[in-house]
Amino acid sequence: GQSLEQPSEVTAVEGAIVQINCTYQTSGFYGLSWYQQHDGGAPTFLSYNALDGLEETGRFSSFLSRSDSYGYLLLQELQMKDSASYFCAARRNNNDMRFGAGTRLTVKP
Amino acid sequence: DGGITQSPKYLFRKEGQNVTLSCEQNLNHDAMYWYRQDPGQGLRLIYYSQIVNDFQKGDIAEGYSVSREKKESFPLTVTSAQKNPTAFYLCASSILEAGWNGELFFGEGSRLTVL
Repeated sequence: GQSLEQPSEVTAVEGAIVQINCTYQTSGFYGLSWYQQHDGGAPTFLSYNALDGLEETGRFSSFLSRSDSYGYLLLQELQMKDSASYFCAARRNNNDMRFGAGTRLTVKP
Repeated sequence: DGGITQSPKYLFRKEGQNVTLSCEQNLNHDAMYWYRQDPGQGLRLIYYSQIVNDFQKGDIAEGYSVSREKKESFPLTVTSAQKNPTAFYLCASSILEAGWNGELFFGEGSRLTVL
């Protein structure tokens, strides 16, 4: 079957760094994406890893280890507007995308 | 501007009725997807399509049907066979190229409530 596991909730303070982990069991795995979703809104794309290693995009970075079936999203210099749900999503080699249940991040002053 | 348009934004349905959710994109994307999201939950794949007149079932296709008669359009019908249809429905599209970065472009969603 397909499954992506991530923590349900994370809390951090403004200016801090937070890491959201994602482990996956996905047949035909091709790459791992990360999305942000604010309440009531549509998910927006943050990053993608097809190869092992770290991808950096501004305050956000994403990491993938294919041998460990593991990835994480790193958010630095947290801001209040970063409070949202974050989803990892596995791209499979047939081009479908399967999502984890999401991690709700709360940033406190 | 290019994007994905879902309609209606809010929809109420009586039990036993079929409803169709519209999804149109002008991004010239080959692939389109339908996801269902329940409160506090992740996105579950209902159907996806990579080419006109072809589509594949996702994890929760039972009680739903789709068509892909045009590249731009991928409507979803929630049938009366779907036992618990109240949810937030999201349509998405993507390119299908060798260098695809895994990005899905989402519409604003349709919230269906069964009365």
